[in-house]
Amino acid sequence: DAKTTQPPSMDCAEGRAANLPCNHSTISGNEYVYWYRQIHSQGPQYIIHGLKNNETNEMASLIITEDRKSSTLILPHATLRDTAVYYCIVRVGSSGNQFYFGTGTSLTVIP
Amino acid sequence: NAGVMQNPRHLVRRRGQEARLRCSPMKGHSHVYWYRQLPEEGLKFMVYLQKENIIDESGMPKERFSAEFPKEGPSILRIQQVVRGDSAAYFCASSPTSRGQGKETQYFGPGTRLLVL
Repeated sequence: DAKTTQPPSMDCAEGRAANLPCNHSTISGNEYVYWYRQIHSQGPQYIIHGLKNNETNEMASLIITEDRKSSTLILPHATLRDTAVYYCIVRVGSSGNQFYFGTGTSLTVIP
Repeated sequence: NAGVMQNPRHLVRRRGQEARLRCSPMKGHSHVYWYRQLPEEGLKFMVYLQKENIIDESGMPKERFSAEFPKEGPSILRIQQVVRGDSAAYFCASSPTSRGQGKETQYFGPGTRLLVL
């Protein structure tokens, strides 16, 4: 099953771009990469997902390497409210519908 | 369009009692997933259900835990004879369709915090 590896914690200055890396070297060819975040034990919030191409929405950008073994989530102008645990997720399981959360990256935005 | 709803938000039970957690998916969603989060850990998959069917229960403990998603009404996660180790946050998610290795995003509810005394 494909799994993910993320640094346990990162700091970012307010107003700067936050770049959160993720390694998913065993991802299969048709498997999407999802990013969610969890703010202070609330329910996980969907951010973005992608397959091969880079993606951008109102919250973030997702850069996926050409070999698809890693990706980077970019928050272009981090605010204090972006302080959260960020999860890079791939689907696993026999039904292909389990999200494997891992331990995520705890991002702290510093004033 | 209301999001995924879970109730109760907080539940306190004594050891040996039963806990019932309810999840109403987003409107138009027919797929429900339950996850458990122990303190300081990531979410762990428990079970995936469609209306009236359990599709994948590989993450469910073999005893005391059961889940259902009836034709009418919310999905229920039931924990019988609770023990202190069941204390955790239980999150429900829903998605509109699922196509195996498909692309459907799961939308999460606010969770139920279960405390077993």
